Amino acid sequence: DAGVIQSPRHEVTEMGQEVTLRCKPISGHDYLFWYRQTMMRGLELLIYFNNNVPIDDSGMPEDRFSAKMPNASFSTLKIQPSEPRDSAVYFCASRPGGHETQYFGPGTRLLVL
Amino acid sequence: KQEVTQIPAALSVPEGENLVLNCSFTDSAIYNLQWFRQDPGKGLTSLLLIQSSQREQTSGRLNASLDKSSGRSTLYIAASQPGDSATYLCAVENSNSGYALNFGKGTSLLVTP
Repeated sequence: DAGVIQSPRHEVTEMGQEVTLRCKPISGHDYLFWYRQTMMRGLELLIYFNNNVPIDDSGMPEDRFSAKMPNASFSTLKIQPSEPRDSAVYFCASRPGGHETQYFGPGTRLLVL
Repeated sequence: KQEVTQIPAALSVPEGENLVLNCSFTDSAIYNLQWFRQDPGKGLTSLLLIQSSQREQTSGRLNASLDKSSGRSTLYIAASQPGDSATYLCAVENSNSGYALNFGKGTSLLVTP
């Protein structure tokens, strides 16, 4: 298996633009997680899905952030409009089910100018 | 809210030394505790997962212990090598907050030849 796949790996955009981050989880995994990592706050959970259904989105910073999982093999995290404070590394992770380990993608480094 | 703290924030040791990384958490109601490794510019790799009913887990030169009642875990690395240089993250899965992981901010380890 190729592992969790994220795209793009790097994104530079200007304030006010829409940003879409993409994730393909490992096949057969029931759970998908979106995290954000910054120097100040470390790794924070934004939202997670179980069988394509959003379960907990309490970590989503504000209405500018939205996430979807239209099928078991694809998820998006969208920021509209983007702001400089959204600059961070965004990770997607998946896991088979239950209380098992999570498998992380390589991350998307986002810079909003 | 679960708080996870890792000490020290950074550590530099000469090759061959045995070392201990520390992790503490405030809420003992956990399903498991995991240790991850993160290389610069990369995603997270799971090293060890300790279920709440377990006391320790071992993998090669790594040994992780868990004392749930005192809210502490240690990661022991034997005979350190330059290739061990990375950031080590501790994460706790709470039993009362779904399947989310709460991460510490990590210990940045440098092993010098």
